Amino acid sequence: IQMTQSPSSLSASVGDRVIITCRASQSISNYLNWYQQKPGKAPKLLIYAASSLQSGVPSRFSGSGSGTDFTLTISSLQPDDYATYYCHQSYTTLFTFGPGTTVDVK
Amino acid sequence: EVQLVESGGGLVKPGGSLRLSCAASGFTFASYDMNWVRQAPGKGLEWVSSISSRGSHIFYADSVEGRFTISRDDAKNSLFLQIIGLRTEDTGLYYCARMSSRSVGGTYPYFFDFWGQGTLVTVSS
Repeated sequence: IQMTQSPSSLSASVGDRVIITCRASQSISNYLNWYQQKPGKAPKLLIYAASSLQSGVPSRFSGSGSGTDFTLTISSLQPDDYATYYCHQSYTTLFTFGPGTTVDVK
Repeated sequence: EVQLVESGGGLVKPGGSLRLSCAASGFTFASYDMNWVRQAPGKGLEWVSSISSRGSHIFYADSVEGRFTISRDDAKNSLFLQIIGLRTEDTGLYYCARMSSRSVGGTYPYFFDFWGQGTLVTVSS
């Protein structure tokens, strides 16, 4: 299963609403996760099962979607949110990640 | 506190071999499926391999099938990745990741909830 993300990068300011989309090449139900990665750090789980917020993750992060189309929304971008975001499908046993979306300072 | 600590990376010539290790603590290691994920310098994440609890189910990405072998030692709370026939394109940071699942709306999706800090593999002549 191939995963695509758009945009590949975006520039935003603190307080902005940020939306990242992820598309699967075939239906994956809700087997879609989102991770945040900062330079030099390991990825961190934000959202699992398309819309479930991982424990300890701020509520400004939310996920939606099912089937082939998914979104990650940051309701009000904070300074700590500048990072790269990856979607990840776990529908098949050969897992795949999206290519990533980098959020940087506008 | 869950901790995953990778080791075993290094500089290797093409065609060489390495054995990566991941030491787990803070949870019942034997109860969890585990994975290896790698990241080439400046690139995205690539899933490499997974092994179920008790080691009964093993899967590999097409790009590493036949050259990589995942294994685990539950008595030592350790995950391993044996790599042979290294190629320059295998260069990258190798992470071990714990896989969990949770019932959500009638489905039981998997996700990687804890990651190590990675061990760097460099393949160069």
